[in-house]
Amino acid sequence: QQQVKQSPQSLIVQKGGISIINCAYENTAFDYFPWYQQFPGKGPALLIAIRPDVSEKKEGRFTISFNKSAKQFSLHIMDSQPGDSATYFCAASKGTGRRALTFGSGTRLQVQP
Amino acid sequence: GAVVSQHPSRVICKSGTSVKIECRSLDFQATTMFWYRQFPKQSLMLMATSNEGSKATYEQGVEKDKFLINHASLTLSTLTVTSAHPEDSSFYICSATKGADTQYFGPGTRLTVL
Repeated sequence: QQQVKQSPQSLIVQKGGISIINCAYENTAFDYFPWYQQFPGKGPALLIAIRPDVSEKKEGRFTISFNKSAKQFSLHIMDSQPGDSATYFCAASKGTGRRALTFGSGTRLQVQP
Repeated sequence: GAVVSQHPSRVICKSGTSVKIECRSLDFQATTMFWYRQFPKQSLMLMATSNEGSKATYEQGVEKDKFLINHASLTLSTLTVTSAHPEDSSFYICSATKGADTQYFGPGTRLTVL
């Protein structure tokens, strides 16, 4: 059972455009939702994370939008740059303490110059 | 952020040999570390949760005798792939939790079993 569904699988955006990646979760016990960026051959790097008590969080060009009732959250990358070309993973975990992450399937973003 | 290192970054070994991968949290202490496995163009799959001073918790389908995990200190966890076979070839990534929830990942180890 895939607990975190991510779309699209791949995305091509022009430089300066907005990249939008969506995730939906099934387990209402999830209460922590991070986004990671991964370059080929490297480990994932934390971009931004949100908890269900807020509907939006912004850090620089990255924004998470969260819809608790719909059990959906999305990553928006404003003013996308070629250097943003990477694979992006949403994830979720539940409970307090040090819980493992359940990852989405990933989105390969390509930003064309 | 926080820094997590892995060693080696890549290893090639013959079938039947054992390989040890180290995961270190360099600037913080981590009572809990996680080991993930990632196949090409796929997502990360949790293998096990490593807790300092206690036995690791393995995910369903992961053989604990095949993938030995030792978390002997607050900054070091090791994963040993015993009697490795070609199907064990993969990208192994560890993570360490800083604070309540934030997981920081290592750079990964590419294992190739010939």
